[in-house]
This record gives sequence, C-alpha cells and structure tokens, in this order.
Amino acid sequence: DVKVTQSSRYLVKRTGEKVFLECVQDMDHENMFWYRQDPGLGLRLIYFSYDVKMKEKGDIPEGYSVSREKKERFSLILESASTNQTSMYLCASSSGSTRDGTQYFGPGTRLTVL
Amino acid sequence: AQTVTQSQPEMSVQEAETVTLSCTYDTSESDYYLFWYKQPPSRQMILVIRQEAYKQQNATENRFSVNFQKAAKSFSLKISDSQLGDAAMYFCAYRPNNAGNMLTFGGGTRLMVKP
Repeated sequence: DVKVTQSSRYLVKRTGEKVFLECVQDMDHENMFWYRQDPGLGLRLIYFSYDVKMKEKGDIPEGYSVSREKKERFSLILESASTNQTSMYLCASSSGSTRDGTQYFGPGTRLTVL
Repeated sequence: AQTVTQSQPEMSVQEAETVTLSCTYDTSESDYYLFWYKQPPSRQMILVIRQEAYKQQNATENRFSVNFQKAAKSFSLKISDSQLGDAAMYFCAYRPNNAGNMLTFGGGTRLMVKP
C-alpha cells in the first residue's frame, strides 16, 4: 500500500512565525503535491513537484514556498505565517505515468495561526 | 480553466438506501480522467472510483458506481446499500491527460448516513 505521512496532525503557530510542514511518501513516486482544504472550496493546489529540486506553482502559491531535496520528501514552508493561512493542509503523491494519475493523500495537517 | 462543481453541499441517506452525489465539470479536452475521493471524519482521503473519458462503460467498484455522461459533462456517484461507514466528505476531481498529474477538485459534498 502507498503510504504518505505528514509530520504533524495539528499545529498551532503565531503570526509571523516560519512554519515547516513535512511530507514523506514511500512509493518512489515522482510527483508530489501540496493542497490547502477550506470548507466549500474543496482542495486548492499550492505547489507541486515532478522531480527532485523541481517545482511548479499551483493555483494559490502566494505566501508559500516548497522544497524537494529528496525524492521521497516534499516540504511546504510558510515564510511568515498569517491568520488567513489557518487551514487544513494535505500532501499527496502520484506516479509519473501520464495514464495512472491517481493521487494518494496523507492524513493532513490542521494548522492554526493565532 | 477547468472547473468542477458539486452542487450539493450536504446530502443525507438512510442506512441501506441508495444515494446519488452530483458532479459537473467544464472542459474543452476530450481525453481526461474523473475521480471520486472520500474523506471520512478525521481520516485520510482515499480514492473511491475513477473513470477514463474515452471509456464509455461506467466504472463500478462494489457498492459504488458512476453515471458518466460525457456530452453533458456530468459525473455522478451512486452509493448503493449505504452503510454508516460511508459517512464522509466526497470530492469529485478532474484531470486532463495533457496537464501532468494536476487535479481540479469540486467543493465537496458532505454525506450523512442515518441509522
């Protein structure tokens, strides 16, 4: 079974803090994704990576950055957390095959910024 | 830009009954995938079922089936013999085959199952 893990289930930070969210997958997937989930808005893509050290902006990259130094690990960074970044953050991974695009999700990190 | 719309924010169904969740999407592509994902309360999001647009036959996975109407750009999920464990948020998602593996999600439908 594909396993995607995220470093924290719940996180509380203060405005202005630098926040790191970590995601690890164990299926040697080329693609990794960071989403933000808000009620009524579904999942919105923040960033994705299709290879080590490669990244692409998603729909809402403002205020976020990412790092992928190893294939299995994809980090989301909030350089200076703000209250409007309070949300559920989901990481996902998928195979690089253009036909099999199924994404596998981590359990999510619920971030609260005070 | 592609959009995915789930017009029912909440649905409820009696245990053992059948329920259909709606999803429509907007695209100019002809080759794409559609997915239904399930997110139980406080649990991981998992894939329920997927449909390849070039396949006319509707996908089925045990009690879950889809009604894929390509011309109408409609992709509904039918859950038969509903169980308490089916209670969850359900998300419809779309992925064109020429855009890497990026998914576009609908806003979700919360399904409640009454015992």
